[in-house]
Amino acid sequence: DTGVSQNPRHKITKRGQNVTFRCDPISEHNRLYWYRQTLGQGPEFLTYFQNEAQLEKSRLLSDRFSAERPKGSFSTLEIQRTEQGDSAMYLCASSSRTGSGNTIYFGEGSWLTVV
Amino acid sequence: GNSVTQMEGPVTLSEEAFLTINCTYTATGYPSLFWYVQYPGEGLQLLLKATKADDKGSNKGFEATYRKETTSFHLEKGSVQVSDSAVYFCALIRNTGNQFYFGTGTSLTVIP
Repeated sequence: DTGVSQNPRHKITKRGQNVTFRCDPISEHNRLYWYRQTLGQGPEFLTYFQNEAQLEKSRLLSDRFSAERPKGSFSTLEIQRTEQGDSAMYLCASSSRTGSGNTIYFGEGSWLTVV
Repeated sequence: GNSVTQMEGPVTLSEEAFLTINCTYTATGYPSLFWYVQYPGEGLQLLLKATKADDKGSNKGFEATYRKETTSFHLEKGSVQVSDSAVYFCALIRNTGNQFYFGTGTSLTVIP
């Protein structure tokens, strides 16, 4: 079990550029989550996949954000036309159950700095 | 709605002191409750969890008891170590939900 893997770990980009983050969940976990965390705050839910289906999206996920999980394994989160307010850590997590007792396992996060 | 409220930090303790970090929640139905820990520059790691009322989660000397009557899940440790310095997050998930709700985190610094 190699854990949830995210890359790149750090990304500095100019405002207006597009960025893409990749997440490889724990193998055999069919549920995958993206969260965003800003300094001094807890993680905020962005979106959730069960296999390849995107089942929930937060209103935080503006139309500049898109997430995919094409084969039900790895996932990508793309941010188009980045803004300074997008600077945050983007966390990916995965799990194998829902509801009571569900435990999600986080990756180490991808730091985005928009300058 | 669903939400988690944690005591605000930062908290600074001397090594071997007793730790309590308060967490209360609001949820529809019967949630599962969690404590996650985040070390500097890293993602969140599960510390402990409890899935029903009166359950006690424990790990690495940390404990928390699911109190339905007070809607609380306070984190405790009898004797903290310098290596416990981190940010601690309380979280919940509803029984029928897929979304975790996190508190804002409590920063703990343990000094020798």
